[in-house]
Amino acid sequence: SAVISQKPSRDICQRGTSLTIQCQVDSQVTMMFWYRQQPGQSLTLIATANQGSEATYESGFVIDKFPISRPNLTFSTLTVSNMSPEDSSIYLCSVELSTMIYNEQFFGPGTRLTVL
Amino acid sequence: QQQVKQSPQSLIVQKGGISIINCAYENTAFDYFPWYQQFPGKGPALLIAIRPDVSEKKEGRFTISFNKSAKQFSLHIMDSQPGDSATYFCAASNSGGYQKVTFGTGTKLQVIP
Repeated sequence: SAVISQKPSRDICQRGTSLTIQCQVDSQVTMMFWYRQQPGQSLTLIATANQGSEATYESGFVIDKFPISRPNLTFSTLTVSNMSPEDSSIYLCSVELSTMIYNEQFFGPGTRLTVL
Repeated sequence: QQQVKQSPQSLIVQKGGISIINCAYENTAFDYFPWYQQFPGKGPALLIAIRPDVSEKKEGRFTISFNKSAKQFSLHIMDSQPGDSATYFCAASNSGGYQKVTFGTGTKLQVIP
């Protein structure tokens, strides 16, 4: 498995500001993912971040709103830009690791964001 | 076609009882079906997973039943305990291209003493 940490664990932000969320993994991984989980809802994939290439965004998510960096194989950041109350959510990073069974996904603890 | 439908949305079970959560999918390209358990304030954690070449997989008190022809799979929690109280997500993915995981809508399980 992988140990994944995220910073900050939670934050309360004002409308119009930006927040950068950090994700650190204890091993080198090729594939990292960023998800959004709105209160009581399922997980929605925002983008896939591979080291050395541009992030791939899912439908409904754009780079200007959610810029992602992936400077090395153990670290990634997601920025939530020009925030509005609708961005209040839990943001999760995950990594894909090859196990005996399949390519498994492991999740970080999440960053709980509240936008006022 | 990419959806994974999950039911029930919430479930209350007596301690010692059996908890059953059902999922259905449409995309026949899916070939990997994990279940995740999420406690409040935590990220989802992989609980158990199954490939479509088997009809059942058991790990301790947790069992996945898989019906390929019906495109359905379910999680059974035997002898449910209060510590099992969490939200459970079924998911599906395929090995073609990068592994994008499609999640179900989640089931909030409460096990009462």
